[in-house]
Formats: sequence, C-alpha cells, structure tokens
Amino acid sequence: DAGVTQSPTHLIKTRGQQVTLRCSPKSGHDTVSWYQQALGQGPQFIFQYYEEEERQRGNFPDRFSGHQFPNYSSELNVNALLLGDSALYLCASSRGTTNEQYFGPGTRLTVT
Amino acid sequence: RKEVEQDPGPFNVPEGATVAFNCTYSNSASQSFFWYRQDCRKEPKLLMSVYSSGNEDGRFTAQLNRASQYISLLIRDSKLSDSATYLCVASGGSYIPTFGRGTSLIVHP
Repeated sequence: DAGVTQSPTHLIKTRGQQVTLRCSPKSGHDTVSWYQQALGQGPQFIFQYYEEEERQRGNFPDRFSGHQFPNYSSELNVNALLLGDSALYLCASSRGTTNEQYFGPGTRLTVT
Repeated sequence: RKEVEQDPGPFNVPEGATVAFNCTYSNSASQSFFWYRQDCRKEPKLLMSVYSSGNEDGRFTAQLNRASQYISLLIRDSKLSDSATYLCVASGGSYIPTFGRGTSLIVHP
C-alpha cells in the first residue's frame, strides 16, 4: 500500500521565481492538505483540497495556490518567491476532511 | 497567545523512565486532537488520536481535558528509539488543523 508521495525532494529557486510541488495521496484517501514547516516550528496549514476544491485556507497570501486533480493528486504553486518561503513543504492526505492525516516525506525548498 | 502551545524542551530522560508532555489549546471549539512524532528532517508520523475517553496504545497513553483545554501524552518505559519531537494538533469547527511547535524528547542510556 503506497503511502503519500511528493516530488521533488529538494528544490533550489531564486527570488521572484515560481515553483510547483506535487503530491499523490495514500491509496483510498480523497483529501489533501498542504503545510509549510520552518526549522524548529510545527507545520503551518496552507490549505486543504477535497473534491477538487479548496475547502479551508490558512493565513497565507494569494501567492500560494493549489489544485486537486480527479485522481485526488494535488499541486502547490508558489509565485514570486521570497527568501522567507524557504522551508519544508509537507503534503498530508486523509479520508474525508476531518480524519487522521498521513504525511508525505516533504519537499525542501530553498530560495536564494 | 498561540493557538496551540507546547513546551519545546528538550526533555532528557534515561531509558525506562516515564515521561509526560502537555499541550494546551486556546480554541474551545476544537474537536479533533492528535499526537504526531517527527524525527529530525523527516515527516511527522501519526502516533495516536486523542479521544474524550482517552486512548492507550502499548506504552503510550493520550488524554484530553476539555475543561482545562489541554491534551497530554504519557510514554512509559522509554526506549532510545523514542527520541524525537512530539507534535500535538488541534482542529476546530472550521477544521483548520493547528500544530504546536513540538516537544523534543531525548532518551539516553
């Protein structure tokens, strides 16, 4: 049973560029949530997708956008990258919007 | 005041010790609670859900105190492999999951 997968594992971008991160949920899961985790902090909720729609959104600017596909996989897009966007980006999947979440290994983004 | 607060530690304990962590939450509408374990530079892994009646899984026991708005995690007979950061999560009626910053546990021989 495949768990949550994310790609790429690492990414280095320059300020002002745009980035797309990808996530495939655990088999049987239909909901995907994205988190940003800075060093020494807990994961911060960015948004959640269910039935291809953004259902909840945390306190992140519109530069952060996402998409969910019919196969439940998801993308996170970040435009106009800032140095402060450097972090570990985690995807978590669940069955439904309120159940236990399972995390992927994350994408480590470095903005220079 | 942060929505979910944890003592960052580190908690340094010998093998075999019992250790307890607390996590306070400020949103009284919070309905779901979980504990996750995170190893250095890895993703969080679900440890256990926290039910109103409490939850036990082997050496791990989680409790919820709604009146005082905190959840706890008790680890008995600590193992070296329990060394990690323990994250608590609370989510409210609107289901925006809020993580604490984590409590670091170091179990030494």
